[in-house]
Amino acid sequence: QKEVEQNSGPLSVPEGAIASLNCTYSDRVSQSFFWYRQYSGKSPELIMSIYSNGDKEDGRFTAQLNKASQYVSLLIRDSQPSDSATYLCAVNSDGNTGKLIFGQGTTLQVKP
Amino acid sequence: GAVVSQHPSRVICKSGTSVKIECRSLDFQATTMFWYRQFPKQSLMLMATSNEGSKATYEQGVEKDKFLINHASLTLSTLTVTSAHPEDSSFYICSARDPEGAEKLFFGSGTQLSVL
Repeated sequence: QKEVEQNSGPLSVPEGAIASLNCTYSDRVSQSFFWYRQYSGKSPELIMSIYSNGDKEDGRFTAQLNKASQYVSLLIRDSQPSDSATYLCAVNSDGNTGKLIFGQGTTLQVKP
Repeated sequence: GAVVSQHPSRVICKSGTSVKIECRSLDFQATTMFWYRQFPKQSLMLMATSNEGSKATYEQGVEKDKFLINHASLTLSTLTVTSAHPEDSSFYICSARDPEGAEKLFFGSGTQLSVL
């Protein structure tokens, strides 16, 4: 069974620090990877997508992908209290249908 | 980005009743939509893939006779929870693929179902 694993946390960081969120996946042939942010009681919103090895930066967010290690991470620089949420890692498990498999999510707490 | 509208946002019903949840793509056509379920402090679990004009594809362990999916048009998919029981209480979320061809998903706002 294809799996996506995340540490549930909570991960607590002070305001202004770098938050590092990690994710591993089991299906070696996966090609597309996504990070979603979910606030309590709300639906997920897309933060980043990454398709090739290396780093991808978008504002305060950097996604890192290492397909050899089956590892994807999300760095949040200058963390703000408003970044406090659950971050879901998602992996495309079927290129034809586009369905995503989600990790359990990591809860991030940014303390003022 | 594309907008996916989901209604209702919250439903409270008695055990044994059926509940219909609607998911609409507002500014694009969605041949494929996905229905997820999320229990408190857990991840999104894919229930089924809804295909316009054909039968839905259900994930292993999901009862297709209990969770009826209809995707009769390119902008509307519905999920009906039949004979709901308290264990069906959950957060149900629909999603659609990016119409511009990317593999990302756009999510509806979710429906919190509480079965008494």
